[in-house]
Amino acid sequence: SQTIHQWPATLVQPVGSPLSLECTVEGTSNPNLYWYRQAAGRGLQLLFYSVGIGQISSEVPQNLSASRPQDRQFILSSKKLLLSDSGFYLCASSRVETQYFGPGTRLLVL
Amino acid sequence: AQTVTQSQPEMSVQEAETVTLSCTYDTSESDYYLFWYKQPPSRQMILVIRQEAYKQQNATENRFSVNFQKAAKSFSLKISDSQLGDAAMYFCAYRSAYGTGTASKLTFGTGTRLQVTL
Repeated sequence: SQTIHQWPATLVQPVGSPLSLECTVEGTSNPNLYWYRQAAGRGLQLLFYSVGIGQISSEVPQNLSASRPQDRQFILSSKKLLLSDSGFYLCASSRVETQYFGPGTRLLVL
Repeated sequence: AQTVTQSQPEMSVQEAETVTLSCTYDTSESDYYLFWYKQPPSRQMILVIRQEAYKQQNATENRFSVNFQKAAKSFSLKISDSQLGDAAMYFCAYRSAYGTGTASKLTFGTGTRLQVTL
C-alpha cells in the first residue's frame, strides 16, 4: 500500500518569505499526485494535481506553484507568502480511484 | 459540476451506540466512486470506506457500513458500536469514474463533526 510523507509538519513563516513544502510517496509508481488546502473548520480545496513528471495542472489561480521533479515527489512552492496562505496543506496520491493522504503540513503566515 | 452535501454539521453518539451520518450528492454521471474519510484531531485524512456506483451491494468495513441509494443520490455512513476513537470530522467525497487529471479529483462535502460521549 502507499505511504505518503510530508514535511515539514509545521511551519511558521513571515509574510513575504518563500515557501517549499515537500511530499514523497512510497509503495507505488507513476501515481497521480494532488495538493489540497484546508482552511480552519472547512473542507478541502484542490490546488494542484499532477499525472506525471513535469505535468502540473492548477485548479485555483493563486500565489502558489507546484512542481514534480521526480515520479514520487511533489513540491508546493511560493516566492512570497501572503497571510491568506495560512492553512493546512495535504498531499494525496492515487494509483487508481482511491486517494490516500499524507499527514499534512500546518502553515502559519504571520 | 458535481456537488456533495453533508447537512449535519455536528452529531453526537454515546459509546457503544450506533450513529448514521448523511451525505447527498448531485451528478449527471452514471459511474462514479463515493468515499467516506475520517479526519481526527491530527488532521490526517484517513479512508474509512469506499463504494463503487455500479455495485448495488453496500460496502462494509468492520463497524462501518454505508447505505448507498443511487436513485436518491444518497450515501450515508453507519458507525456501529461507536468508540471514543471514532470522534473526528467525517467527510463524504465523490469521484468521477471517467477520465484522468481533473476528472479524477475528489469533490468533498463540508464535513460532519462526530462527538462520542461516555
